[in-house]
Amino acid sequence: AQSVTQLDSQVPVFEEAPVELRCNYSSSVSVYLFWYVQYPNQGLQLLLKYLSGSTLVKGINGFEAEFNKSQTSFHLRKPSVHISDTAEYFCAVSAYSSASKIIFGSGTRLSIRP
Amino acid sequence: GAVVSQHPSRVICKSGTSVKIECRSLDFQATTMFWYRQFPKKSLMLMATSNEGSKATYEQGVEKDKFLINHASLTLSTLTVTSAHPEDSSFYICSARDRTGYGNTIYFGEGSWLTVV
Repeated sequence: AQSVTQLDSQVPVFEEAPVELRCNYSSSVSVYLFWYVQYPNQGLQLLLKYLSGSTLVKGINGFEAEFNKSQTSFHLRKPSVHISDTAEYFCAVSAYSSASKIIFGSGTRLSIRP
Repeated sequence: GAVVSQHPSRVICKSGTSVKIECRSLDFQATTMFWYRQFPKKSLMLMATSNEGSKATYEQGVEKDKFLINHASLTLSTLTVTSAHPEDSSFYICSARDRTGYGNTIYFGEGSWLTVV
């Protein structure tokens, strides 16, 4: 079975400052990794995903994440945040098998201060 | 791009009644769809995996007789909350796997708010 741990439930950051949202996963098999964003009262939007290949993955809205197999981490980063980045961010994992399901972390609320 | 549509986006029903939520893949075929539930300010909890043409697989602790899932075609899965109670009020989100996509191509719907009064 797979599991995801997001260590920070809330991350307050000043506008234009860098941010890192932490994610660690556990799995006995190879996995795909995802970061989703959820704006207030909306559904989920895929920010980026790691399938294979380069461990540094670039996504939408200037976000990127780095897959670290030895540390079983997939931290999300952005060099300079904007007010519009205020949202809930979910790290997720899915096993390689074709019928597997996505398991979500508990989420990190990113709040941007002007 | 691929779109997954949920309907209705918001529904209010009386306690004791049943309500159906639809999840459609609009431009791809989905042999597998997933239903999640999200409580306010909480993460998404996987309820069940819906497989086209067969019975859904429910996660531990989810009442299969209360949350009926039907996946009758490659583009439609439905979740019916039977004999709804106020504690069933929640945000329900579906996702669909594009069977032709590479690497677990999964798309999420916009979610459906259920309020039981």
